[in-house]
Amino acid sequence: EADIYQTPRYLVIGTGKKITLECSQTMGHDKMYWYQQDPGMELHLIHYSYGVNSTEKGDLSSESTVSRIRTEHFPLTLESARPSHTSQYLCASEKRDRGITEAFFGQGTRLTVV
Amino acid sequence: EDKVVQSPLSLVVHEGDTVTLNCSYEVTNFRSLLWYKQEKKAPTFLFMLTSSGIEKKSGRLSSILDKKELFSILNITATQTGDSAIYLCAVSAGGTSYGKLTFGQGTILTVHP
Repeated sequence: EADIYQTPRYLVIGTGKKITLECSQTMGHDKMYWYQQDPGMELHLIHYSYGVNSTEKGDLSSESTVSRIRTEHFPLTLESARPSHTSQYLCASEKRDRGITEAFFGQGTRLTVV
Repeated sequence: EDKVVQSPLSLVVHEGDTVTLNCSYEVTNFRSLLWYKQEKKAPTFLFMLTSSGIEKKSGRLSSILDKKELFSILNITATQTGDSAIYLCAVSAGGTSYGKLTFGQGTILTVHP
């Protein structure tokens, strides 16, 4: 099983609050990703990082921000949560080994903004 | 913009049936195509395909890629209730978007006893 962890698993929070979703991996992977997934819908890439101090916005516009100060840590922050942010957020890291690329996913954070 | 389309969106079968899931893509600088199985938790890796015409096989699951026609299929034979899940197809790009995964919308497979 992959060593990538997300906390919290579930979060219910009021509108206007600032929240940080944590993602950590102990595999030393340089590439990490954040995806947003609504129920029954596809995964949308919202942020990615190729290593320390590297962050890029993904395909889906998001009001969240990320940081990558350490290889193992890729937190996502919402400065002011809104009901439209209610979704599942999945963190992933990528491994390349002998030409094979594989993305490992965390368990996800299900966020509800009320 | 890179695009991945899966079909069907949902499928209901009975145990023992064989199913074929489809994935077509339009990607600049194609690098590889990946299949994932997603149950209640996060997606788990099934296959990575980079070359046309070479079948990857794992137990009752198999997959093949056609880089000329830009699609892949995932076959599941002798389906079991434990195969019920969302099956996701993703394409990894190269070039300036190196390593970025674009996912399809998924196929929801339900296997009844």
